[in-house]
Amino acid sequence: DAMVIQNPRYQVTQFGKPVTLSCSQTLNHNVMYWYQQKSSQAPKLLFHYYDKDFNNEADTPDNFQSRRPNTSFCFLDIRSPGLGDAAMYLCATSRDAPDSSETQYFGPGTRLLVL
Amino acid sequence: GDSVTQMEGPVTLSEEAFLTINCTYTATGYPSLFWYVQYPGEGLQLLLKATKADDKGSNKGFEATYRKETTSFHLEKGSVQVSDSAVYFCALISQAGTALIFGKGTTLSVSS
Repeated sequence: DAMVIQNPRYQVTQFGKPVTLSCSQTLNHNVMYWYQQKSSQAPKLLFHYYDKDFNNEADTPDNFQSRRPNTSFCFLDIRSPGLGDAAMYLCATSRDAPDSSETQYFGPGTRLLVL
Repeated sequence: GDSVTQMEGPVTLSEEAFLTINCTYTATGYPSLFWYVQYPGEGLQLLLKATKADDKGSNKGFEATYRKETTSFHLEKGSVQVSDSAVYFCALISQAGTALIFGKGTTLSVSS
């Protein structure tokens, strides 16, 4: 089945230690997104890639970066995680140019714990 | 800016009860509207969507109608099941936007 896959499902890191979360998709979608969902809150978009073009949300902290080496994979790098970065990180994809009519398909998420 | 407001939870119902979860939005132009569901420990799944006024989205017995005049997209189901227990998010993407703007989510708990 075509899907969005996130690994690992749970990630524990230490305060200040860089961590990378990964996302892959078999949908062959052009757009990939990263959302942050803190406990009992709504998901919030961090950034997205439309093909190779990176688009950062204005209020995304510099501590968060992303890479998309090919169509299938996208990575979220947190350079120096703080306690406030503990959250569920959701990867999503959409078929084509991000606009209001495109459905976004989500992976199961990676829950990050910062000690 | 664009925003979504949905009713506070938790909503607790008995099996076969009628469900309504209210959702209203603020956006310029004509956004697309979505309902996503999140089961415990899982990511978000699209439940239904509507892309223009008066459209009705439906899936798995759930329905929602895009009401431009009241800026609403209320979720309804005629007879809930225990397996419907989850968190439900109303969301929009504005005409010129990229990000899904989510409401805070409503937790539904259905007991047998």
